[in-house]
Amino acid sequence: KAGVTQTPRYLIKTRGQQVTLSCSPISGHRSVSWYQQTPGQGLQFLFEYFSETQRNKGNFPGRFSGRQFSNSRSEMNVSTLELGDSALYLCASSLTGTNTEAFFGQGTRLTVV
Amino acid sequence: GEDVEQSLFLSVREGDSSVINCTYTDSSSTYLYWYKQEPGAGLQLLTYIFSNMDMKQDQRLTVLLNKKDKHLSLRIADTQTGDSAIYFCAVYNTNAGKSTFGDGTTLTVKP
Repeated sequence: KAGVTQTPRYLIKTRGQQVTLSCSPISGHRSVSWYQQTPGQGLQFLFEYFSETQRNKGNFPGRFSGRQFSNSRSEMNVSTLELGDSALYLCASSLTGTNTEAFFGQGTRLTVV
Repeated sequence: GEDVEQSLFLSVREGDSSVINCTYTDSSSTYLYWYKQEPGAGLQLLTYIFSNMDMKQDQRLTVLLNKKDKHLSLRIADTQTGDSAIYFCAVYNTNAGKSTFGDGTTLTVKP
């Protein structure tokens, strides 16, 4: 079965712009979690969506938001981009999100210039 | 909050065993994971262990969990050059509803 698909793979944006990243989970999986990976901070949890509802949230400013659609696909939006938002954004898909295996996509590499 | 620590680097010779260590702080963690990340790629789930287990073996991989010391290890037998990657330990906290990752251990396998 198909894995987790993230689009686009690479993105270059200018400071102040906004960006939307997409994640299609494994078929049948209802939980999608988003992580930011940077060399300095490692992997940081952004938020988790389950059945179209944000269930858990990490410690990121309100510029970072997300949503999940009825088909479990999720989007993550970052507004008013800053240079420090440059990172690899990973999404993880799991059946229920609670105590189950999480499978990661390849990530979207965002560069803010 | 949860803190997960790993050593940053490990270098071994091809054919040797590799042992990657991880310590964590939250005793209420329920699932403990090992992920592998190759350059330019996402994270690949290698294996995981429930908190009520001491050991799990999966082909060349052996996971050991010492709950008392909050210590997790991943042993890779007969390490190959294709095993060179960054290995992340992650701990799932039921109360927080999220996984906390270590900073990753870069494994280098020399021929």
